[in-house]
Amino acid sequence: AQRVTQPEKLLSVFKGAPVELKCNYSYSGSPELFWYVQYSRQRLQLLLRHISRESIKGFTADLNKGETSFHLKKPFAQEEDSAMYYCALRTGANNLFFGTGTRLTVIP
Amino acid sequence: DAGVTQSPTHLIKTRGQHVTLRCSPISGHKSVSWYQQVLGQGPQFIFQYYEKEERGRGNFPDRFSARQFPNYSSELNVNALLLGDSALYLCASSPELGSAKNIQYFGAGTRLSVL
Repeated sequence: AQRVTQPEKLLSVFKGAPVELKCNYSYSGSPELFWYVQYSRQRLQLLLRHISRESIKGFTADLNKGETSFHLKKPFAQEEDSAMYYCALRTGANNLFFGTGTRLTVIP
Repeated sequence: DAGVTQSPTHLIKTRGQHVTLRCSPISGHKSVSWYQQVLGQGPQFIFQYYEKEERGRGNFPDRFSARQFPNYSSELNVNALLLGDSALYLCASSPELGSAKNIQYFGAGTRLSVL
């Protein structure tokens, strides 16, 4: 069965500091991993996905199949990064399985 | 483009009642998925519909049902409501199924409170 684990419910960093949000997954097939973000009073939106291998708003995430991880990283956190972040796994059926989320707070 | 729209935004029901939630996908999107998000948890998959057919079902009881209409809009129905059904119900639409480029776009959700 598939599973997505985000070990940190809350994460606080100072502005300008590096940030890493952890995500580990369990899936027997070939995984597709996503990071979704929800800013205050906004709907859930896609931040990035591993197949794109792109940087969005300074965030990057690398799929590590050996460690079954897809950690989200940013070298210098900004106040506008404060939000709820969800890691999600898509199975072949196109369904998304989400982790429990990490609330990131960037302290000015 | 209005994005994915859901109605109503909030709903209060009592135990045992029935509820219908509605979703209109982004224009041109043929697939609709429903998720339940309980406070403090991530969204949990309930149903997926594509071209009016059920293509996936999560681990939810038969009290939950859904359908998709010819215009690709969708309804989620929940019968015999329980207190534990209180949650934010999210609808997501995507253009197709199975494509590597397929992305799910989410609505703002319907907040259901069961008293």
